[in-house]
Amino acid sequence: EPEVTQTPSHQVTQMGQEVILRCVPISNHLYFYWYRQILGQKVEFLVSFYNNEISEKSEIFDDQFSVERPDGSNFTLKIRSTKLEDSAMYFCASSGVDAGANVLTFGAGSRLTVL
Amino acid sequence: AQTVTQSQPEMSVQEAETVTLSCTYDTSESDYYLFWYKQPPSRQMILVIRQEAYKQQNATENRFSVNFQKAAKSFSLKISDSQLGDAAMYFCAYNGATNKLIFGTGTLLAVQP
Repeated sequence: EPEVTQTPSHQVTQMGQEVILRCVPISNHLYFYWYRQILGQKVEFLVSFYNNEISEKSEIFDDQFSVERPDGSNFTLKIRSTKLEDSAMYFCASSGVDAGANVLTFGAGSRLTVL
Repeated sequence: AQTVTQSQPEMSVQEAETVTLSCTYDTSESDYYLFWYKQPPSRQMILVIRQEAYKQQNATENRFSVNFQKAAKSFSLKISDSQLGDAAMYFCAYNGATNKLIFGTGTLLAVQP
């Protein structure tokens, strides 16, 4: 079963530091996403990415955040100057084309703790 | 904008019994997908079942089935023969034209032995 791989599984950082979360989507998928889940709350959409550009982003995804697909396999989320409220679980997801475009496969998540 | 509502923050079921989790949604779109995701304590998001809005037949995956009422915008999940491993947070989700999942607030399911 193909899967989405995320690293690191848990990262602890100091407030104000930069963090990069990495994801390897399923190889033949073309749509990539980042979602966030603050502890005890619902899963929130951050950004979607297609054809090497952002296709949609939420209000949460401000200038502090950026995404990149630096090579043919990785999809990264960068958080500049982290804040305490950025502490959350960050999920990467990917989806295919046609009938598969609406079915997202999620990674196991990266837990970010900002101190 | 689309919304997804799960009105049951917590539910409990006895092992081997049946439980139904409720979900309603609001949309003006006619073509969309609905999903139930399971999130165990590991916090991974696991797809349980999906339903295409254009299909009248309710989706079924082994012990999991849905009751999809398009006119009422209702999408409930039925878990039959509940097992201890079914204990988790369950999220209902909507995906429409924008191709981004919109989640409900979740229902925490406890399974009593």
